[in-house]
Amino acid sequence: GQQLNQSPQSMFIQEGEDVSMNCTSSSIFNTWLWYKQDPGEGPVLLIALYKAGELTSNGRLTAQFGITRKDSFLNISASIPSDVGIYFCAGRRRANAGNNRKLIWGLGTSLAVNP
Amino acid sequence: DGGITQSPKYLFRKEGQNVTLSCEQNLNHDAMYWYRQDPGQGLRLIYYSQIVNDFQKGDIAEGYSVSREKKESFPLTVTSAQKNPTAFYLCASSIGGGEANEQFFGPGTRLTVL
Repeated sequence: GQQLNQSPQSMFIQEGEDVSMNCTSSSIFNTWLWYKQDPGEGPVLLIALYKAGELTSNGRLTAQFGITRKDSFLNISASIPSDVGIYFCAGRRRANAGNNRKLIWGLGTSLAVNP
Repeated sequence: DGGITQSPKYLFRKEGQNVTLSCEQNLNHDAMYWYRQDPGQGLRLIYYSQIVNDFQKGDIAEGYSVSREKKESFPLTVTSAQKNPTAFYLCASSIGGGEANEQFFGPGTRLTVL
């Protein structure tokens, strides 16, 4: 099935640094979701975006729905050790695009934070 | 507490045996999903159900079967026909299949075939 292009694949940063990751698609999406997965656990929803240009924050996390509707960005400010994990983007194509009820997933960005 | 439960957390089976993974939710969600996750990879959809007594194949349904007899339950059977069943299995649910498609996940079941 189709997958999103998520980058970078992995990041190793120092505590306190800001982090930025993104997802791109060749299709127009009407929903973007960002999840975090801790080792051995299920993904947890961080932020949901439903409108082009939308900018939403959740604590130190900020995500944006790209104005082209083909991309989304997630930023983490002032990283801390508990930010370690894998971050996934997921999107849903616009209505009438075929199988639009299914989420399409990125392959994840693995984040490591050095205390 | 409302949420999604999966059991067991770890499961071992011998090659050639069928095994059923449990998924229960008390969120009153209509839609439920099963994903498979392999190391270093994203989530791949096995089956999904938008309503009781109805389900559709996802991208990798071969070797798996599901049932949706109750709204809160969506068990997944990994059959002996699945060539490479060792993986981390995740169950999710959402309110429905409409515009709000936020999926909420259970803790996962790690299946190992010996």
